[in-house]
Amino acid sequence: QQQVKQSPQSLIVQKGGISIINCAYENTAFDYFPWYQQFPGKGPALLIAIRPDVSEKKEGRFTISFNKSAKQFSLHIMDSQPGDSATYFCAARGGSTLGRLYFGRGTQLTVWP
Amino acid sequence: EAGVAQSPRYKIIEKRQSVAFWCNPISGHATLYWYQQILGQGPKLLIQFQNNGVVDDSQLPKDRFSAERLKGVDSTLKIQPAKLEDSAVYLCASSSEGRFTGELFFGEGSRLTVL
Repeated sequence: QQQVKQSPQSLIVQKGGISIINCAYENTAFDYFPWYQQFPGKGPALLIAIRPDVSEKKEGRFTISFNKSAKQFSLHIMDSQPGDSATYFCAARGGSTLGRLYFGRGTQLTVWP
Repeated sequence: EAGVAQSPRYKIIEKRQSVAFWCNPISGHATLYWYQQILGQGPKLLIQFQNNGVVDDSQLPKDRFSAERLKGVDSTLKIQPAKLEDSAVYLCASSSEGRFTGELFFGEGSRLTVL
């Protein structure tokens, strides 16, 4: 059973455009929602994360929007650049500090120059 | 600061053979994870160590997979015998204890191809 559902599977955006990736979850015990970025041949790296007590978090061109009642969260990449081309994973973690991370299936983003 | 080191980067074996992967976490990180990433999917946790002890191995196929973390530092993941469906990238990650922020630091992974 997929704990975190991610869409779309792939996304093509023009340089300067906005990239939007969506995720949904069911487990209300999740208390931490990170996004990881992965380049080919590399391991995932933390991009930005949010906790359910806030509705939005922004770091530079990257913003997480969080809707607790709908159990959904999304990543917005403003002014998308070719260097942003990578696979993005949303994830969620359970209530305990040592809880496992459940990853979505990933979104392959391609930004055309 | 050195990152998470993994070896080998690539391994090709025949089914029913055995393979071992090694991981050296970031110095001082008490928690170590092994994730399996099948092509086109997100990473899936296989096993989590806190120092020497196993915290979560509920998704580890124990009939063929084993892992150990000696002296609370390096870790080895072994597969014996391998099946075709074990073809994947095996990612090791670590995180610090005490000031746990939820951030996992991943290595570059070990890509396994089972023929």
